[in-house]
Amino acid sequence: EAGVAQSPRYKIIEKRQSVAFWCNPISGHATLYWYQQILGQGPKLLIQFQNNGVVDDSQLPKDRFSAERLKGVDSTLKIQPAKLEDSAVYLCATRSQGLRTEAFFGQGTRLTVV
Amino acid sequence: AQSVTQPDIHITVSEGASLELRCNYSYGATPYLFWYVQSPGQGLQLLLKYFSGDTLVQGIKGFEAEFKRSQSSFNLRKPSVHWSDAAEYFCAVGLLTSGTYKYIFGTGTRLKVLA
Repeated sequence: EAGVAQSPRYKIIEKRQSVAFWCNPISGHATLYWYQQILGQGPKLLIQFQNNGVVDDSQLPKDRFSAERLKGVDSTLKIQPAKLEDSAVYLCATRSQGLRTEAFFGQGTRLTVV
Repeated sequence: AQSVTQPDIHITVSEGASLELRCNYSYGATPYLFWYVQSPGQGLQLLLKYFSGDTLVQGIKGFEAEFKRSQSSFNLRKPSVHWSDAAEYFCAVGLLTSGTYKYIFGTGTRLKVLA
């Protein structure tokens, strides 16, 4: 079974620039999560999709972050404009239906804002 | 509020020694519990999970974890550590809240293995 695919793996941008990350979930996984992982910390949920609908974006800085999930499959996360404190690894995770399931993670995108 | 605590930020052990990583959670009901491992530059890989039943669960790479309801703990153990086990380890709780299923992660424990 193919895993969660993320691109790019690395990105360096200047502050105030924009950036976009892409995630392709495991086939059939209805739930998709975007996490932000700052160095030395655990993953922090930014946004959660169920199919193509947002079910939780309470931790998403909506003044600069946006996300969408096209047709309930691929998802993109965008930052515009980026700040220095956005430097982190952005992880996409997906899971299938049911309570007794685990999240499968992509390799992440490491963003450095300079 | 639900939370996961990993009290040890860093742990160093010698290769071949035993290992125990601690995890405590705060949640009103019986949670679903997970341990993930993250190698440098990689995503998180599931080591093991607990949903119900036998409180001692076996995972990949020789790891096991024990759920202790009375202590709200889910500690990860390995009898003999290998150099390749050096990584960061995250404990997580899966829970249903407000109709959505989400995961709460601890802050992680970074394991260093001495040759």
